[in-house]
Amino acid sequence: QKEVEQDPGPLSVPEGAIVSLNCTYSNSAFQYFMWYRQYSRKGPELLMYTYSSGNKEDGRFTAQVDKSSKYISLFIRDSQPSDSATYLCAMTPMGTSYGKLTFGQGTILTVHP
Amino acid sequence: DTGVSQDPRHKITKRGQNVTFRCDPISEHNRLYWYRQTLGQGPEFLTYFQNEAQLEKSRLLSDRFSAERPKGSFSTLEIQRTEQGDSAMYLCASSPYGQGRDTQYFGPGTRLTVL
Repeated sequence: QKEVEQDPGPLSVPEGAIVSLNCTYSNSAFQYFMWYRQYSRKGPELLMYTYSSGNKEDGRFTAQVDKSSKYISLFIRDSQPSDSATYLCAMTPMGTSYGKLTFGQGTILTVHP
Repeated sequence: DTGVSQDPRHKITKRGQNVTFRCDPISEHNRLYWYRQTLGQGPEFLTYFQNEAQLEKSRLLSDRFSAERPKGSFSTLEIQRTEQGDSAMYLCASSPYGQGRDTQYFGPGTRLTVL
């Protein structure tokens, strides 16, 4: 079983929809959580970085962390065709292995006009 | 700040050949990471450096793989005696560890195809 599970989709939504992306994890050592966006044949681009359980909002993006359930989410409001990409969750523990990111498989999102 | 750069962007090689990739991090970022990403999967951690010291290597990094960061600036990743299973995107990232928010910035990757 992988340490981080992410539904690969693909997910197809109409423009303007609210998108919900999710990851579950099994390693309770993970304390820092990130969401990256990756366009085809490009490197991942950081969208959100969170530590605490709860919600963090940045523009149209909201990251949610529930450490008790080992579950994180990314919500995209008013989705745009330019949001079409692969979304990767990533996480890392504290301490000596901090920075060693473990990624989910990635969810392919298509927002159609 | 020009971002993380990687060279080459694409490499096609024959099985058994050696290949070397270069990563130039964002200037003054003291941490540099290497990841490997295969089609349809998320990146997998390979190794990382803090300045010139290599702090951790993944079990994925067999003895055919070696990475260096000789002066704490750019890094190279060498694969000896390439195998078809080495075909993947090799991603480099850097971060300003200990200087505030430690987030990793990724380069565009080097896509390796082993024939």
